[in-house]
Amino acid sequence: AQSVTQPDIHITVSEGASLELRCNYSYGATPYLFWYVQSPGQGLQLLLKYFSGDTLVQGIKGFEAEFKRSQSSFNLRKPSVHWSDAAEYFCAVGLLAAGNKLTFGGGTRVLVKP
Amino acid sequence: DTAVSQTPKYLVTQMGNDKSIKCEQNLGHDTMYWYKQDSKKFLKIMFSYNNKELIINETVPNRFSPKSPDKAHLNLHINSLELGDSAVYFCASRRSGQSGELFFGEGSRLTVL
Repeated sequence: AQSVTQPDIHITVSEGASLELRCNYSYGATPYLFWYVQSPGQGLQLLLKYFSGDTLVQGIKGFEAEFKRSQSSFNLRKPSVHWSDAAEYFCAVGLLAAGNKLTFGGGTRVLVKP
Repeated sequence: DTAVSQTPKYLVTQMGNDKSIKCEQNLGHDTMYWYKQDSKKFLKIMFSYNNKELIINETVPNRFSPKSPDKAHLNLHINSLELGDSAVYFCASRRSGQSGELFFGEGSRLTVL
């Protein structure tokens, strides 16, 4: 069965420091990969997505993610975090054939220290 | 111009009651979803409709009944509410045959007392 794991439940980072959020998946084939962000009391907003091609993808708000097939990973990074980046981050994977279903990881809460 | 809108945003009710949450999207998408987010922020798919046809029905109690009157609307009716139904319910939509990205509503927080 497909699964998505985000090993870090919480991450605290200082403003201006770099951030990396981990995501590992288990699928029968290479799925489509997504990162979403959820600010408190809000819905989910897409940061970036990977389907094929260049394994380093750029997203909104200065985020990027790298797909590594050999490690079944799709880690999210940002070189310098801002206080407004404090939020919950979700990795998601999907296959178009599976009824267009996205499976989400458990989320990583990012706290930003001044 | 809200792309995916849900009503109500907050809902507080007693156990045993019946309640509905409505969702509408103005993106021209043909596939809509309901996801449940529990208190630990875990997101789990419940249902999906494509052009008013049910295509995904996860292991959800039959107290939950989705209805899609047209491809722009997907409502969720819940009978005999239980404490464990307390959660945030998210509606989402996408255009099938494309990139797979879901667009989410802002969520409906249901609290069952």
